[in-house]
Amino acid sequence: DAKTTQPNSMESNEEEPVHLPCNHSTISGTDYIHWYRQLPSQGPEYVIHGLTSNVNNRMASLAIAEDRKSSTLILHRATLRDAAVYYCILTDFSGGGADGLTFGKGTHLIIQP
Amino acid sequence: DTGVSQNPRHKITKRGQNVTFRCDPISEHNRLYWYRQTLGQGPEFLTYFQNEAQLEKSRLLSDRFSAERPKGSFSTLEIQRTEQGDSAMYLCASSLLGVGETQYFGPGTRLLVL
Repeated sequence: DAKTTQPNSMESNEEEPVHLPCNHSTISGTDYIHWYRQLPSQGPEYVIHGLTSNVNNRMASLAIAEDRKSSTLILHRATLRDAAVYYCILTDFSGGGADGLTFGKGTHLIIQP
Repeated sequence: DTGVSQNPRHKITKRGQNVTFRCDPISEHNRLYWYRQTLGQGPEFLTYFQNEAQLEKSRLLSDRFSAERPKGSFSTLEIQRTEQGDSAMYLCASSLLGVGETQYFGPGTRLLVL
């Protein structure tokens, strides 16, 4: 899987939008961009994924750059329960594939009340 | 649908003992993955099954680690002759084979080797 680069940590205030960036300059044409998050003492949780177009779901939005070399996960109104480590992961066209998901260290999101 | 379940949630063992963990995936999911996560790191992929076939096992950490999924439903991960370095969270995930498939994770089994 291609490598992604994320900031180690970010801090935001409760009820404000949060934009989590991810760089993936070596992304291939068939790589999906997945975001997972992991709350303390829990397994990772799927957030959203996309290929080329921006995506929205009940949890978040995913904005994908036109050249696909970067993406941004947007939490529209952060709550304290959004405090977690957020992972940006590239997968090949068939999803996890033979190598599973390759997690980096992710971005530790801190939400201030 | 109750999601992916793992048992036990916590395991304390003495060095040299064997341990076995169980994962029950989401019922219709045909792919099952095992990961290991150490403190401060992201999960590390170990192995995966498609139905009962183990299609990737080269990432298992040593020959002390083995996994089975005998009937294509639940899976077990066994660690023989445990070492203190095996202390970690062991995570299971399942997915339905398809384009852009999403993996759904269980809560993990936390292993402490004394």
